[in-house]
Amino acid sequence: EAGVTQSPTHLIKTRGQQATLRCSPISGHTSVYWYQQALGLGLQFLLWYDEGEERNRGNFPPRFSGRQFPNYSSELNVNALELEDSALYLCASSLGLAGVSGANVLTFGAGSRLTVL
Amino acid sequence: QKEVEQNSGPLSVPEGAIASLNCTYSDRVSQSFFWYRQYSGKSPELIMSIYSNGDKEDGRFTAQLNKASQYVSLLIRDSQPSDSATYLCAVNSYYGNNRLAFGKGNQVVVIP
Repeated sequence: EAGVTQSPTHLIKTRGQQATLRCSPISGHTSVYWYQQALGLGLQFLLWYDEGEERNRGNFPPRFSGRQFPNYSSELNVNALELEDSALYLCASSLGLAGVSGANVLTFGAGSRLTVL
Repeated sequence: QKEVEQNSGPLSVPEGAIASLNCTYSDRVSQSFFWYRQYSGKSPELIMSIYSNGDKEDGRFTAQLNKASQYVSLLIRDSQPSDSATYLCAVNSYYGNNRLAFGKGNQVVVIP
């Protein structure tokens, strides 16, 4: 069974540009989560999508956005890139809503490392 | 107060010893608790989950949960060099709308 896949593995952009990161969840998982892991800051929750809807959002500016497609894959868009956006962006997937057994167990992808110059 | 706190600095333990990691959380209605392991340059992987008070053992790992004290810990028995990694505590609150909050992590170094 394929795990969570993310692309690209590495991305280099300059300030002010836009970055798009993509994620395919484990087959059967409907929830996709995005986390930012910057050096020394731990995993910061960005976004949660389930069944095509944004369910929750972390404390990030609106230039961080995303969407989930009918096949449950997802993309994260970061507009007007700033130097501090340089980080590892991790996507994770899980079974659906809270209360369902295993719903809260996240499986992470390998991440996309974004470097903003 | 941070949602999930892991305050200890890097932990060095000799091979074969017990490594003990602690985590506190702020949301009293938290329902689900997890420990993830992250090797340098890799993504986090789940090693333990615990949902009710008490101890849960899985091989050399034991998770302990005390909801009254809002405290969860991880013990690694017979530590091996392959256990050298950063361990992340994660807490989910049902009323937090299924958002999993992570601590900053504790680095463990097992010395052969």
